[in-house]
This record gives sequence, C-alpha cells and structure tokens, in this order.
Amino acid sequence: DVKVTQSSRYLVKRTGEKVFLECVQDMDHENMFWYRQDPGLGLRLIYFSYDVKMKEKGDIPEGYSVSREKKERFSLILESASTNQTSMYLCASSREDGDRYGYTFGSGTRLTVV
Amino acid sequence: GQNIDQPTEMTATEGAIVQINCTYQTSGFNGLFWYQQHAGEAPTFLSYNVLDGLEEKGRFSSFLSRSKGYSYLLLKELQMKDSASYLCAVLDSNYQLIWGAGTKLIIKP
Repeated sequence: DVKVTQSSRYLVKRTGEKVFLECVQDMDHENMFWYRQDPGLGLRLIYFSYDVKMKEKGDIPEGYSVSREKKERFSLILESASTNQTSMYLCASSREDGDRYGYTFGSGTRLTVV
Repeated sequence: GQNIDQPTEMTATEGAIVQINCTYQTSGFNGLFWYQQHAGEAPTFLSYNVLDGLEEKGRFSSFLSRSKGYSYLLLKELQMKDSASYLCAVLDSNYQLIWGAGTKLIIKP
C-alpha cells in the first residue's frame, strides 16, 4: 500500500522554537508539496519541490523553509515558530505533470504553537 | 486571479441524493479533482475530470463543463459515513492544483 508518512500527528511547540516537520513517500514520486489548512481558508501551498535539491515558493512561504536532500523526503522547517503558525500541516506527493491520480496526502500534523 | 467557489456547507438526509457544485476561474485548465476529507484526516482522491461530461464511480459521479467553468459532485444513496468535507481542485496551466475552500456535508438520519 503506497503512502505518504508524516513524522508526527500532533505537536506542541513554544514560540521562537525551530520546528521540523518530516514527510516521506514510498511511491518514487517526483513532486512533493507542503500545505497548511485552516478553517474556512482551504489548503494553502507553502512550498513545493519537483526534484531533489529543488524547491519553489508557494503562496505563503514567509516564516518557512524546506529541504529535499533525497527524492523520498521533504522537510518543512519553521525557523522561529509563532502562534499564527498554529495549523494543520499536510504533506502531499504526486507523479509528473498532469497525473490523473492527483496528489496523495499524508495524515497531517496538527501543530500548536504556545 | 484564480478562484474556485463552492458552497461552505450543505445538509442532506441519509438515503437521499446531494449535488455539490464547484465553479472555477483559473489560468489554464488541465483537469479537475474532487477530494473527500473527514474531520481531522487527510484529503483522499475521489475523481478526476479533464473532458466534458459525467464520470460515474459507484455511488459518486462527477460532471464537468469546461466552457462554463463548472463541475459538480453527485452523491447517491447517502450514508452517514459520507459526512465529510468535499474539496474541488483545478490543475492550472502550470500544473499546480488550485483548491477550493471545501464544502462541509452534514448527513442527517
């Protein structure tokens, strides 16, 4: 069963901490994405990557960075966590452009910054 | 700008039929997706339309009209487990998914 795995389901961090969210996929997908999801706002793209060591900013990259050292792993980094980064974070992967099967999502990480 | 509109919330009765509409304005079009998302869980793929017409898959069907920028998801024989949010998403000219905010579907006995 193919899957996208996120390292933590729930996470509580303090303001100012550096936070790492890990995502691993076993489908040999080229594309990987990080979203955050907040009530009433839908999915908002933070960063994405189409290849190893490649990254592109999404719609809301401020306060975040990413790393993709290996094809199967895409990490999201909150450089200095703030309370407005409390959210559900979803990682997704997909095959190349135009894949009719869309994205496969991880189970999400609910991050609370206190 | 790019925009996808769908109703915020709908209510239906167990055993009935419900249609969830989605209209879109995007820069280019390379397909439209519907995803289901139960509360606290990740979205899961339901359907993909790239040509006009109806795609049927069991109790779920999805329709697309590219000229009207319009799609709907039709759920038949509703079950309590269908209570979830339904997300419409369009693959734009850059092959990026543009997401609607989702429609929360409430099923009543």
